[in-house]
Amino acid sequence: AQSVTQPDIHITVSEGASLELRCNYSYGATPYLFWYVQSPGQGLQLLLKYFSGDTLVQGIKGFEAEFKRSQSSFNLRKPSVHWSDAAEYFCAVGPFAGGTSYGKLTFGQGTILTVHP
Amino acid sequence: DTAVSQTPKYLVTQMGNDKSIKCEQNLGHDTMYWYKQDSKKFLKIMFSYNNKELIINETVPNRFSPKSPDKAHLNLHINSLELGDSAVYFCASSGGYGSGANVLTFGAGSRLTVL
Repeated sequence: AQSVTQPDIHITVSEGASLELRCNYSYGATPYLFWYVQSPGQGLQLLLKYFSGDTLVQGIKGFEAEFKRSQSSFNLRKPSVHWSDAAEYFCAVGPFAGGTSYGKLTFGQGTILTVHP
Repeated sequence: DTAVSQTPKYLVTQMGNDKSIKCEQNLGHDTMYWYKQDSKKFLKIMFSYNNKELIINETVPNRFSPKSPDKAHLNLHINSLELGDSAVYFCASSGGYGSGANVLTFGAGSRLTVL
């Protein structure tokens, strides 16, 4: 069965510092990969996604992520963090096969990001 | 206009009661979902409907009964509520085919607390 691991439960960075959130997945084939952000009391907002092609994908709010097949990883990065980036971040994998599995995403446990001024 | 809206946002109730959560999407999507986020923040799919037809039904107690009156609405009714049902329930929708069908738009969530 597929699984997603986000090794860091909580990360604290200073405003302006760079950020990398780790995500590793276990899946039988190349999955679709996603990063979502959840602000307190809010729903999940899609930051970026990888389906195929260029392994470095750009998302909203200045985030990017790199798919590394050899490492089964899809780490999220941002060169300079803003205080408004404080939130919880979820990595997810989706089925490549589609059909009745569409939308059946497997999520990691999330990484809480705290930003110090 | 909120793309995926859920009501109520908060729900506090006693064990044994029956409650419903409603969801509506105005994105024109064909598929809608219910996900459950437990106290440890794990998100797990419960159900999905495509054009009012049940597609995914994970191992969920039959006390949970989704209903989709039309493709823009997906409601979740829970009978005989138990303490373990306390969670945040997220509605989501997706449209199109292929890879796009996996791009979910989530609602803000409905926090259910069972006392």
